[in-house]
Amino acid sequence: EAQVTQNPRYLITVTGKKLTVTCSQNMNHEYMSWYRQDPGLGLRQIYYSMNVEVTDKGDVPEGYKVSRKEKRNFPLILESPSPNQTSLYFCASSFHRDRGSYNEQFFGPGTRLTVL
Amino acid sequence: KNQVEQSPQSLIILEGKNCTLQCNYTVSPFSNLRWYKQDTGRGPVSLTIMTFSENTKSNGRYTATLDADTKQSSLHITASQLSDSASYICVVSFFYSSASKIIFGSGTRLSIRP
Repeated sequence: EAQVTQNPRYLITVTGKKLTVTCSQNMNHEYMSWYRQDPGLGLRQIYYSMNVEVTDKGDVPEGYKVSRKEKRNFPLILESPSPNQTSLYFCASSFHRDRGSYNEQFFGPGTRLTVL
Repeated sequence: KNQVEQSPQSLIILEGKNCTLQCNYTVSPFSNLRWYKQDTGRGPVSLTIMTFSENTKSNGRYTATLDADTKQSSLHITASQLSDSASYICVVSFFYSSASKIIFGSGTRLSIRP
């Protein structure tokens, strides 16, 4: 089954304790992206990757890191989480994002993170 | 400023009724507009996409319209079902510095009552 998986689905942690949220897709997509979703706000892009070893900042990258060592995986790293990073996080992937951004993004099930 | 605004924020209707959700955008230059459906606890799933030259697109009981002149889109749901209860998100793509960007609306939360 074609899908995007994220782990963990739920995480409660404390301020300053490094964590990683994994994302994997099995559709051979070049483009992958991380978003956060907060009440009353639209999905906001954190980081994206056009292909292996190619990553770039989205609209809200502060406090996050990513890596793209393999095509299928795109982990999100919080080196020192803070309470304002409490949110619902989504990973998404699509075929190459061309100038028209025409391609549909396939989203993972989400990771609900709480930082105390 | 590039923005996507959706209305209403939330809507409750009875099963079997029709409804229309609105999306207004100010992005320029426009590339395309998608409607996504997001069930509670799940990631968004694409319903329709429209480019500048398209003014209507259907997907079963869902019909999206686009007026590129007034920068407005609507999503019409016909004969609603309980499974239509979800958030509906309007997403607009536009060109920016030789690349493309997307902006997500904050969504309309639709509840269908039996």
